[in-house]
Amino acid sequence: SAVISQKPSRDICQRGTSLTIQCQVDSQVTMMFWYRQQPGQSLTLIATANQGSEATYESGFVIDKFPISRPNLTFSTLTVSNMSPEDSSIYLCSVAGTPSTDTQYFGPGTRLTVL
Amino acid sequence: GESVGLHLPTLSVQEGDNSIINCAYSNSASDYFIWYKQESGKGPQFIIDIRSNMDKRQGQRVTVLLNKTVKHLSLQIAATQPGDSAVYFCAGAYSGAGSYQLTFGKGTKLSVIP
Repeated sequence: SAVISQKPSRDICQRGTSLTIQCQVDSQVTMMFWYRQQPGQSLTLIATANQGSEATYESGFVIDKFPISRPNLTFSTLTVSNMSPEDSSIYLCSVAGTPSTDTQYFGPGTRLTVL
Repeated sequence: GESVGLHLPTLSVQEGDNSIINCAYSNSASDYFIWYKQESGKGPQFIIDIRSNMDKRQGQRVTVLLNKTVKHLSLQIAATQPGDSAVYFCAGAYSGAGSYQLTFGKGTKLSVIP
């Protein structure tokens, strides 16, 4: 499976600021996704990052709050904008398409705390 | 819509015993299921998957069983070891917009007693 890295691994931010999280894969992948995992909870899909076009957002998530870029087949960014303490979560990227389009493999996550 | 849930939030087993983690799903259109293991401070790790045209699949020390009649799947871990302690998630997938989108269950925390 692909090796996935995320930066930063963790951060503590002030409310009202924004943080951009990077996801890098060591091989080209078809699909990239962003998830949120609130403390002690399961994973919730934020959006599908589409290469060369706007991301596809799930219900409850909007582009103004979570802008996403995917400039190529190995890299994506998620920005958490105008943060509030409710945004404190683990943010995970996942990839699919290597070796199949079905199975998703996850990065190590970015632990965000908003004060 | 799709919902995937787990029967038990916590499970404690003695080292060497077998573990069984259960999961129920509601969407009969789901055609692919995955089990993930998430250790503290890490991202979910793929364990095993199964498609809806199968009812059993085995891996190394793990077996996944799928019962489509009652919309239930389980993960069996043989000879549970301390390194198996983690939160286990089941996820269901359905084909949507040309890609498989996963819906995760709540998770079961497995604790192995040495």
